[in-house]
Amino acid sequence: DVKVTQSSRYLVKRTGEKVFLECVQDMDHENMFWYRQDPGLGLRLIYFSYDVKMKEKGDIPEGYSVSREKKERFSLILESASTNQTSMYLCASSSPGQGASQPQHFGDGTRLSIL
Amino acid sequence: AQSVTQPDIHITVSEGASLELRCNYSYGATPYLFWYVQSPGQGLQLLLKYFSGDTLVQGIKGFEAEFKRSQSSFNLRKPSVHWSDAAEYFCAVGAWGRDDKIIFGKGTRLHILP
Repeated sequence: DVKVTQSSRYLVKRTGEKVFLECVQDMDHENMFWYRQDPGLGLRLIYFSYDVKMKEKGDIPEGYSVSREKKERFSLILESASTNQTSMYLCASSSPGQGASQPQHFGDGTRLSIL
Repeated sequence: AQSVTQPDIHITVSEGASLELRCNYSYGATPYLFWYVQSPGQGLQLLLKYFSGDTLVQGIKGFEAEFKRSQSSFNLRKPSVHWSDAAEYFCAVGAWGRDDKIIFGKGTRLHILP
């Protein structure tokens, strides 16, 4: 069965810390995505990647970076965490298709609190 | 650019009643359309998808959705809801082309009365 695993369900960090959120998929998918989810705002795309070592900015990349050294792993990095980055973070993957024709498969999310 | 609107933020129905969740999209050509469900504390799970062909699409958990091009709508329906259907539901649209991004609506939270 399809599996996207996020390393932590809950995470508490302090302002100014460098934070790593890890995501691993076992479906050999080329595409991987990072979203944040906030009440009333839905899902907002932070970064995505079509292949190893490739990355593209989404709608809200400021304050974040990503790393994709291996096909199955896509890391989201908060360079210097701030309280406005407290949120639910969702990772997803999909196989390439004709445009966005392939559904995305999601992990269970990481609820990150920045104190 | 494509966009998705879910007009209802919250919907409350009684257990056993029928359900319809609304979704309107904006896109120039025939889009790819999806419905996802998110149970509390979980990620999103795909309910169903529409690419082309039959405009009535069947999904998991007894859900179906109908694509209406003239109304730019893709409403989700279920004839009889169960308490376990209480969740948040997201409509999403994808576009033709190289870009594999999907645009999500802001979601509709479904509450079930016993």
